[in-house]
Amino acid sequence: EPEVTQTPSHQVTQMGQEVILRCVPISNHLYFYWYRQILGQKVEFLVSFYNNEISEKSEIFDDQFSVERPDGSNFTLKIRSTKLEDSAMYFCASAPPRGSEQYFGPGTRLTVT
Amino acid sequence: DAKTTQPNSMESNEEEPVHLPCNHSTISGTDYIHWYRQLPSQGPEYVIHGLTSNVNNRMASLAIAEDRKSSTLILHRATLRDAAVYYCILRDRGSSNTGKLIFGQGTTLQVKP
Repeated sequence: EPEVTQTPSHQVTQMGQEVILRCVPISNHLYFYWYRQILGQKVEFLVSFYNNEISEKSEIFDDQFSVERPDGSNFTLKIRSTKLEDSAMYFCASAPPRGSEQYFGPGTRLTVT
Repeated sequence: DAKTTQPNSMESNEEEPVHLPCNHSTISGTDYIHWYRQLPSQGPEYVIHGLTSNVNNRMASLAIAEDRKSSTLILHRATLRDAAVYYCILRDRGSSNTGKLIFGQGTTLQVKP
């Protein structure tokens, strides 16, 4: 069964450094999302992406964040200058053209020290 | 998206049915009821969704009250692998296949052997 994959599974970085989290959505999906989950808290929406542009973004998704679909398969989340409070699990999700369910990846654990 | 209310936690015995309730008294006529679950250390996983009629799939059944102000996710025979946080989420039909998911705290289901 096709699945969303994410790399790396765990990323440790120092405060102020740039990180890029990578996702490979399911191949025929057209809608893409990033969510995050701080330890012990709710899953929070960050951004949705469709037709090579951002459809919606949350208040969390400020100028330090950006997303890109550089080729036909990858979907990336970049954090330009990481802060301690960016430490969280980051989940990528994708959705098919006419389906309403979202398929989530296993997540990347980002630790900012 | 309208608000949902779920119990914080529930317990079940293995191989017994589990009924997970969700209240959504402010649901609008165009809101779909979606259920996702999150197994420990994994990303959320789609379970089922419905609008008005009861729905069944290989994972679960969804029973929707006639006035749509509440719904119940039914796991017919709980297994240890069903131990997870279960989220009840309302999504407007207009954004059903494009829009973000808004996660609450969900119900943590413990399954005892």
